[in-house]
Order: sequence, then C-alpha cells, then structure tokens
Amino acid sequence: DGGITQSPKYLFRKEGQNVTLSCEQNLNHDAMYWYRQDPGQGLRLIYYSQIVNDFQKGDIAEGYSVSREKKESFPLTVTSAQKNPTAFYLCASSDRQRETQYFGPGTRLLVL
Amino acid sequence: RKEVEQDPGPFNVPEGATVAFNCTYSNSASQSFFWYRQDCRKEPKLLMSVYSSGNEDGRFTAQLNRASQYISLLIRDSKLSDSATYLCVVNMSVQAGTALIFGKGTTLSVSS
Repeated sequence: DGGITQSPKYLFRKEGQNVTLSCEQNLNHDAMYWYRQDPGQGLRLIYYSQIVNDFQKGDIAEGYSVSREKKESFPLTVTSAQKNPTAFYLCASSDRQRETQYFGPGTRLLVL
Repeated sequence: RKEVEQDPGPFNVPEGATVAFNCTYSNSASQSFFWYRQDCRKEPKLLMSVYSSGNEDGRFTAQLNRASQYISLLIRDSKLSDSATYLCVVNMSVQAGTALIFGKGTTLSVSS
C-alpha cells in the first residue's frame, strides 16, 4: 500500500531533550513538508523540501531541524530550543507537478 | 501578507440540510485551491480541488471567484458522517517552489 507513515503516534519529551519524529513515504513524491497544528489553529509550516539534500525554512522553523538524505524520508528534530513544543505534528508529501499534499497520521508531542 | 480566512463556526445542521462554507484569500497570485476535511484528532484529507469553472463531486460543490478572491464549498443532503472540520487551502510561491497555506477551518456538526 502506498502512503505516508509517521512514528511514533505519541511522543513524550523531557525538558532540555531533543526528540526526532519520523516521516516516511513510498509514493515517490519529490516534495515533503512538516506542519505543526495547535488546538483550534490552522496548520503552520515548519520546514519543507522539494528535492533530496535540499530543504527550506517555513514560517516557524526556530527550534526545529530537518534532513533529507533520502527521497522517502524527512525526519524532524524538535530541539531543546523549541520552548513550546506540545502540538500535533503532521508530515505531508506531494508530487511537484500536482501540488496536492497527502498527510501522514501525525505525531502528538507532549512535554513531561 | 499571506492569509486564508474562514468562518470557524460551528455550523450545526440537521441531517438532509444544505450548508455552505466560505473562504477568502489574500494572495491574488494563488493558482491552486483545495478543500480538505479533518476529523477530530486525525490528519487532513483532500476532499476536492477547486477549479476556475467550479466543480462538483457527488453532494459537494466547490466554486472559485478569482476577482473577489473567494472560494466556497456547498454540501447538499448533509449526512452525520459529514461532521468534521473543513479546511480551505490555497497555494503561494515560496523560495524553492510553492507551498500551501491552510485556513483554520470551519467546523460542521450534523445531527439526527
């Protein structure tokens, strides 16, 4: 089955700890995205990557980092510099020709 | 200024009702428009793209007015299963291509 997977479903972070959220897709999509969603809020773009080995900051990149070493994978690291990390994190991918984005099931990050 | 605005609702309607959602966008250069559906604590899923001439998919009809920078979604014969949050989405040009801007969503509750 083609699709986007994210793991873990729930993640708990301790103060001062870096955590990494996984995102994998087997849709052969060139572009991948990370969004953050807070309760009652819209999706806000953290980072995006249009091709392997290249990525760009979105609107709220501070406190986050990404890598794009493989077409299928776009992991997001939430660093200790992100002071309010509790949120629902969504990964998406798209075909560069069509723009429609398809989302993974998301990861809920909670701070202990 | 990049912005997509929607009435947050909630819209509370009985089964069988017709309901319409509106959305305005600020970037006149936007070329692609979408409606996504998001169920509680789930990822957004593409409902339909919005084309210049308007388009219909079963009980759902989407309209675009470029002059007024306005998008609409009409749902006829509402079902209980239509209860969800509907996200208006438009594209915009960014450094390395295009990105999607998501509205905060309009919540629909259909009751029996």
